[in-house]
Amino acid sequence: KAGVTQTPRYLIKTRGQQVTLSCSPISGHRSVSWYQQTPGQGLQFLFEYFSETQRNKGNFPGRFSGRQFSNSRSEMNVSTLELGDSALYLCASSHAGPPAYEQYFGPGTRLTVT
Amino acid sequence: GENVEQHPSTLSVQEGDSAVIKCTYSDSASNYFPWYKQELGKGPQLIIDIRSNVGEKKDQRIAVTLNKTAKHFSLHITETQPEDSAVYFCAASSSRQLTFGSGTQLTVLP
Repeated sequence: KAGVTQTPRYLIKTRGQQVTLSCSPISGHRSVSWYQQTPGQGLQFLFEYFSETQRNKGNFPGRFSGRQFSNSRSEMNVSTLELGDSALYLCASSHAGPPAYEQYFGPGTRLTVT
Repeated sequence: GENVEQHPSTLSVQEGDSAVIKCTYSDSASNYFPWYKQELGKGPQLIIDIRSNVGEKKDQRIAVTLNKTAKHFSLHITETQPEDSAVYFCAASSSRQLTFGSGTQLTVLP
């Protein structure tokens, strides 16, 4: 079974621009979560989608948004990029439902904001 | 919200020795505790997990223990090998959101 895939793997953007990252979950998984990983803050939860609905949201500004499509693929968008948004953005997929099921991570998208 | 503390931040062991990484959590409602291994340039890989109704779980050279009363859980790796060198993260979840520890850089010296 193919794992979680994320595109693109690397991205360089300029302050003020916006960016869209894509995640394809493991086949059959209906939940997709997004995390930001930085050396200073570690792994931080952004949001989780299930059946095209955002079920849970972390403590990030409204510039960070996401969506999920009917095939469970998910995108996250960051608008008005800031230097501090430079990070590894990770997507994880799981089957569904509370309590938390095993989450499997993709390789991440490395975003650099200059 | 949940807060997870992880110790130590760095750990060096000789090949063949055991390694232990410890985590504490704050939310008594947390009921799922996974451990991830992250190698350079890769995403975190789930290596073992434990749920709150279990005290210990083992998978070959890896074991995890959970003490719900004290709110702490630990990862034990026996007979360490150079390929065990990586960053290890613990996490805790009370619903669908994982809260991660700050990570432990494990180095296995040949």
